[in-house]
Amino acid sequence: KAGVTQTPRYLIKTRGQQVTLSCSPISGHRSVSWYQQTPGQGLQFLFEYFSETQRNKGNFPGRFSGRQFSNSRSEMNVSTLELGDSALYLCASSLTDSGNTIYFGEGSWLTVV
Amino acid sequence: GNSVTQMEGPVTLSEEAFLTINCTYTATGYPSLFWYVQYPGEGLQLLLKATKADDKGSNKGFEATYRKETTSFHLEKGSVQVSDSAVYFCALSGRSGGGADGLTFGKGTHLIIQP
Repeated sequence: KAGVTQTPRYLIKTRGQQVTLSCSPISGHRSVSWYQQTPGQGLQFLFEYFSETQRNKGNFPGRFSGRQFSNSRSEMNVSTLELGDSALYLCASSLTDSGNTIYFGEGSWLTVV
Repeated sequence: GNSVTQMEGPVTLSEEAFLTINCTYTATGYPSLFWYVQYPGEGLQLLLKATKADDKGSNKGFEATYRKETTSFHLEKGSVQVSDSAVYFCALSGRSGGGADGLTFGKGTHLIIQP
């Protein structure tokens, strides 16, 4: 079956703009989480959604937000982009919000100029 | 809070050499432990996992044993191949059994295998 799908794969934005990234989880998976990967900070947890509710949030400013739809698809949004937001954003899904393995997508590469 | 420490490398080995990548963790309770692998330009792939003390996870010739007494989850492979060149991440999940509750990752170990 299809894996976790993220769109777009690559994008370039200007400082101050906003961006929306999309994630389609594996069919049947209801939990979606997002991670930011940078060379300096490594992989950091952003937030987790289950059944359209945010269950957990990492230590990121309010410019980072997300949501999950009734079909489990998720979007994350970053407003007022800063140069430091340039990163690989990874989406992951699992069957439920506990006791299941997490599967990652290939990520969305965001460059802020 | 939870934390994971692993050697960052790069670790350079010759083909068919024995591989060990050390991973130690700090966590409350009984975390689940994972190794993920990332090939160039790709996302993370689950390599193996262990959900309780003394469990051994294994996959594709790699294995790791959950050692609660030493809070470690070292990754080993008896004979590496050039195709094993990648970045390897050790991670833990604070929720018993794993799940999307926010994995805590190590910094990653860049492994280079030379023919």
